[in-house]
Amino acid sequence: KNEVEQSPQNLTAQEGEFITINCSYSVGISALHWLQQHPGGGIVSLFMLSSGKKKHGRLIATINIQEKHSSLHITASHPRDSAVYICADPPPGNQFYFGTGTSLTVIP
Amino acid sequence: GAGVSQSPSNKVTEKGKDVELRCDPISGHTALYWYRQSLGQGLEFLIYFQGNSAPDKSGLPSDRFSAERTGGSVSTLTIQRTQQEDSAVYLCASSLGGGTANYGYTFGSGTRLTVV
Repeated sequence: KNEVEQSPQNLTAQEGEFITINCSYSVGISALHWLQQHPGGGIVSLFMLSSGKKKHGRLIATINIQEKHSSLHITASHPRDSAVYICADPPPGNQFYFGTGTSLTVIP
Repeated sequence: GAGVSQSPSNKVTEKGKDVELRCDPISGHTALYWYRQSLGQGLEFLIYFQGNSAPDKSGLPSDRFSAERTGGSVSTLTIQRTQQEDSAVYLCASSLGGGTANYGYTFGSGTRLTVV
């Protein structure tokens, strides 16, 4: 059983649409990490949050520690947002628990 | 350096050969992680180094895999007698401190290994 579950696994959106990616986890965590991976590229850290909400440009991440749930929102989506988005439970412990990833394609 | 540097970026090797993958973490980062990502799969933990402590090798898939970290900085992941199933992107990440969620993590751009 994967400790971190993401939905949807695949998402196609029209440019300009509001996008939501969900992440649920079963382990107790103090913070959650949202990562972005472009095709053929490395992984970029988007957010690490332990409560409430964080915003960076068109990206918004929220977390509810009690419900063990986090969401990543993208407003006014753009084709360059096309990537795999991964939520991860960073250490404590010696390793991340990674979600399975959500593959997002934004069509012009 | 400014980021986590991995080399080579791409490596094609023949089955049965040994390969070495290098990770140069951000200066001062004491924690270093190796992961791999097979095509269409999620990230798989391989090994974790924290300071001078013994590394956590629990994710290494076989005894053909080994890693070392010299001087608490650069790390080398070695795969002996490579097999086709070793083909993957090997990612390295470093953090200012391990064992806590309060430090940011930085990933390298990965080494794409293809075993033919």
